[in-house]
Amino acid sequence: DAGVTQSPTHLIKTRGQQVTLRCSPKSGHDTVSWYQQALGQGPQFIFQYYEEEERQRGNFPDRFSGHQFPNYSSELNVNALLLGDSALYLCASSFGDSRTGELFFGEGSRLTVL
Amino acid sequence: AQKITQTQPGMFVQEKEAVTLDCTYDTSDPSYGLFWYKQPSSGEMIFLIYQGSYDQQNATEGRYSLNFQKARKSANLVISASQLGDSAMYFCAVQPYNQGGKLIFGQGTELSVKP
Repeated sequence: DAGVTQSPTHLIKTRGQQVTLRCSPKSGHDTVSWYQQALGQGPQFIFQYYEEEERQRGNFPDRFSGHQFPNYSSELNVNALLLGDSALYLCASSFGDSRTGELFFGEGSRLTVL
Repeated sequence: AQKITQTQPGMFVQEKEAVTLDCTYDTSDPSYGLFWYKQPSSGEMIFLIYQGSYDQQNATEGRYSLNFQKARKSANLVISASQLGDSAMYFCAVQPYNQGGKLIFGQGTELSVKP
């Protein structure tokens, strides 16, 4: 049973560019959440997708956008990259809203912005 | 707003001994969940244990137990019989009950287990 898979694992971009990160949830899961983890910090919630719609959003600018596909996989897009966007981007999946259950995380996509 | 505070940036423990990782939280929500995650160097966040705010008993999962003191807004993680593989970053998180999937994490504690 495959867990949460993310791609790419590492990437380097320059300021002003755009990036797309991808996530496939654990089998049987229908909800995907994205987190940003800067070096030495805890993860910060970006947004959550359920039934192909953004259900919740954290305190991130509109440069951060996402999408969920009918097969529940998801993409995170970041436009006009800034140096401060350099971080580990984690995807987490769950069935439903996981109020009492754990989220299953992928190993992340490490983005470096030069 | 919710906030998690983990005051121990780094901790050392001898193999086979127990260790307590501290976590205090601040939330105005009447119902919430508390979580602990482990993050090894691979980057993946691994779920360890969950405590609901209305649970009367402290949660336990194998070698992990959560010392929940609601009045003090404290949710410390106790790891018994530490193993070398326990060396990792540990994060405490709070989730408002009506915002499933939206975890608010602390800064983390780096645990090193000595042989």
